[in-house]
Amino acid sequence: LAKTTQPISMDSYEGQEVNITCSHNNIATNDYITWYQQFPSQGPRFIIQGYKTKVTNEVASLFIPADRKSSTLSLPRVSLSDTAVYYCLVGPYSGGGADGLTFGKGTHLIIQP
Amino acid sequence: NAGVTQTPKFQVLKTGQSMTLQCAQDMNHEYMSWYRQDPGMGLRLIHYSVGAGITDQGEVPNGYNVSRSTTEDFPLRLLSAAPSQTSVYFCASRRAGASTDTQYFGPGTRLTVL
Repeated sequence: LAKTTQPISMDSYEGQEVNITCSHNNIATNDYITWYQQFPSQGPRFIIQGYKTKVTNEVASLFIPADRKSSTLSLPRVSLSDTAVYYCLVGPYSGGGADGLTFGKGTHLIIQP
Repeated sequence: NAGVTQTPKFQVLKTGQSMTLQCAQDMNHEYMSWYRQDPGMGLRLIHYSVGAGITDQGEVPNGYNVSRSTTEDFPLRLLSAAPSQTSVYFCASRRAGASTDTQYFGPGTRLTVL
């Protein structure tokens, strides 16, 4: 699986847009980029997934440049409840085989009033 | 749907004791996995299953056993608990054919081994 690098922590304020960038220089052709969110004392929760260009859902947007060596998770108008750890994962679309997810340390996002 | 459920939520064991962490899902997912998360760390895969009767080892399998007799249940057994197994344990499931990374996680079991 492609290794990912993301900032250990970030701070922002309520109402701001927050962008978290993840580097994945060794991403493979069949790899997808997925982001998870984890609140304290809870299991991770799927946020968004993409392969190239831009993906948007009701929670976030994911921007992926043409070379796919990085990606940016964008959270619009954050609130205090967005304080969490955000994980970037890169792996193949798979209909079978090993379930070998690798979670790094993630980015601890702290939102202040 | 209850999703992925785990019991107990908290457990304290003495070194050498054995116990089973329960995990169940009602989404008819073929794939189920167990992870452990240590303070300040990401999740590490312990064991996984791609269907009833099929299990395999993940990154950190030593000291743990699993079985998958039904689609719904995937218990994790600690044979002889050690302080190094103090951690938060998460169970997850996903559909076969879904992307590897689109998993649903349970609320976790916080285990302390004294």
